[in-house]
Amino acid sequence: DGGITQSPKYLFRKEGQNVTLSCEQNLNHDAMYWYRQDPGQGLRLIYYSQIVNDFQKGDIAEGYSVSREKKESFPLTVTSAQKNPTAFYLCASSTPQYGGGGELFFGEGSRLTVL
Amino acid sequence: AQSVTQLDSQVPVFEEAPVELRCNYSSSVSVYLFWYVQYPNQGLQLLLKYLSGSTLVKGINGFEAEFNKSQTSFHLRKPSVHISDTAEYFCAVTFTGGGNKLTFGTGTQLKVEL
Repeated sequence: DGGITQSPKYLFRKEGQNVTLSCEQNLNHDAMYWYRQDPGQGLRLIYYSQIVNDFQKGDIAEGYSVSREKKESFPLTVTSAQKNPTAFYLCASSTPQYGGGGELFFGEGSRLTVL
Repeated sequence: AQSVTQLDSQVPVFEEAPVELRCNYSSSVSVYLFWYVQYPNQGLQLLLKYLSGSTLVKGINGFEAEFNKSQTSFHLRKPSVHISDTAEYFCAVTFTGGGNKLTFGTGTQLKVEL
């Protein structure tokens, strides 16, 4: 079945450590996104990529980094510079509709807890 | 820049009763509007979207929403809810020409009770 796979589902990290969240899709979508979800704050865009080897910052990119070396993969690294990394992270993909209006397909999320 | 306001953080309702989840948006340009549903510890799933045309949009699971440009609203409705509708609902907006970068509201937790 086509879809988006995020791993790990749960992750614990000590302060000062970097951690990488995996996102893989087999929907043949060109565009991919990372959102952060906090209780009562909805979803906020961290980074997005419209095409391989290109990505742009979203609204809250500080303390995060991404790469897009393959169409299927868009890993997110939460660095030690991220001051409050405990959150639920959602990866999504879509066909590239620059006029807007396209549907985003989401993975099941990764819950990161910093101890 | 556009923004989305979901006025109700929680909406309790009895099974088989009607429900309305409110969403208001702010934008200086034309927008596309969406409703997504999230079940516990899962990703989001598209319920419905408004792009153009008829202002009444029908989605999955018996939900519908009405785009009201003068009120800048896109409220979600269901005439009779089921226990399985218990979830968090997000309204989202993107402006025309803005690609698929969505701006989400803060969500409304719908709790259906027997």
